Amino acid sequence: GESVGLHLPTLSVQEGDNSIINCAYSNSASDYFIWYKQESGKGPQFIIDIRSNMDKRQGQRVTVLLNKTVKHLSLQIAATQPGDSAVYFCAESRDYKLSFGAGTTVTVRA
Amino acid sequence: DAEITQSPRHKITETGRQVTLACHQTWNHNNMFWYRQDLGHGLRLIHYSYGVQDTNKGEVSDGYSVSRSNTEDLPLTLESAASSQTSVYFCASSVDPDGPQHFGDGTRLSIL
Repeated sequence: GESVGLHLPTLSVQEGDNSIINCAYSNSASDYFIWYKQESGKGPQFIIDIRSNMDKRQGQRVTVLLNKTVKHLSLQIAATQPGDSAVYFCAESRDYKLSFGAGTTVTVRA
Repeated sequence: DAEITQSPRHKITETGRQVTLACHQTWNHNNMFWYRQDLGHGLRLIHYSYGVQDTNKGEVSDGYSVSRSNTEDLPLTLESAASSQTSVYFCASSVDPDGPQHFGDGTRLSIL
């Protein structure tokens, strides 16, 4: 079946380095994608989104890249900080409903 | 500041009991959603609403119901709680049905 998924369940990053979190999707009709961050005991927090008519979008320390040819989405975090330790989810919008991947746990090493 | 709040934050109940989880948002968003989060499954959509008196079933709606009598609230009811419904439940709202959803901090529900 079609689904949204993340390539790796865990990612360990040295503080100050850049992080790249990947996500693959299989529904070519999806036209909207969102990245969320979830800290322990909290709800998912919106980070950044991108529509299918764009390839790249930048926010504060974060960049989302969308490659529709290979159905791939990535989140880049610049100069990773300890506060970036969390679970990151990508979500795909189909028929106005979001489908979430299982998440990547990012751990920042001091 | 506008926000979305869920209550209770934690609840323990017994199988067969009726349970209602509250969700209240002060953004005046028309669109509201309920998800459950389980290990290995990410977030799965239970029910959603695009406005007052509108409710729709999501991916995992069996055993759950919602009602929307006003813009601010979308309570989720488990008619007869089952152990398989032990989970963390999240409510979300959005201004645009195809836009970013903003989540509450969840209710951890344990059914014994």
